[in-house]
Amino acid sequence: NAGVTQTPKFRVLKTGQSMTLLCAQDMNHEYMYWYRQDPGMGLRLIHYSVGEGTTAKGEVPDGYNVSRLKKQNFLLGLESAAPSQTSVYFCASSHGQGSSYEQYFGPGTRLTVT
Amino acid sequence: AQSVTQLDSHVSVSEGTPVLLRCNYSSSYSPSLFWYVQHPNKGLQLLLKYTSAATLVKGINGFEAEFKKSETSFHLTKPSAHMSDAAEYFCVVSDRDGGYNKLIFGAGTRLAVHP
Repeated sequence: NAGVTQTPKFRVLKTGQSMTLLCAQDMNHEYMYWYRQDPGMGLRLIHYSVGEGTTAKGEVPDGYNVSRLKKQNFLLGLESAAPSQTSVYFCASSHGQGSSYEQYFGPGTRLTVT
Repeated sequence: AQSVTQLDSHVSVSEGTPVLLRCNYSSSYSPSLFWYVQHPNKGLQLLLKYTSAATLVKGINGFEAEFKKSETSFHLTKPSAHMSDAAEYFCVVSDRDGGYNKLIFGAGTRLAVHP
């Protein structure tokens, strides 16, 4: 049981390049989330998904797209990377959606955009 | 909207001494509150959560937190710090956004533990 895994762990992009971050969970969770973590700001929600084939915008969705084609995977895409997207990205998943359901986090992806 | 404020960005303690990490929240109704810990280059791990049951919540690794409605606080404590407690700690409140319970994170408190 690997929990939540993220690929890649590190990436450096040039401005304007595109990339996709992959999140996978093996806990059969319905809900999945993408956050970004910036110094002094805690984590902010980018997009989330309440089930296979569904996605929704979070607090800071601009510049990102997501897809949930399979229940276990949640992809985060950057179509045209900008330096402001330099951050650490965390994926999380949860079994349910209420406050009693713990979110399980992946180890993070450190992205630098030059 | 809910919000959470962590009153200290850095806390430094000696091994074996008590730990106090302070958190205040604002809420228009009875909130659900959490503490998460993040060790260097790791993901976040849930330490404990309050969901309107007992006001004193015990978590993993000897940590506990007390919900005080009158003070709108949810401070994290541990009687005796261990070197392995050095990490970043996040106070989190659950907010209702339409039909979705989203997590609102504080800015984090970095705990350093010295020998």
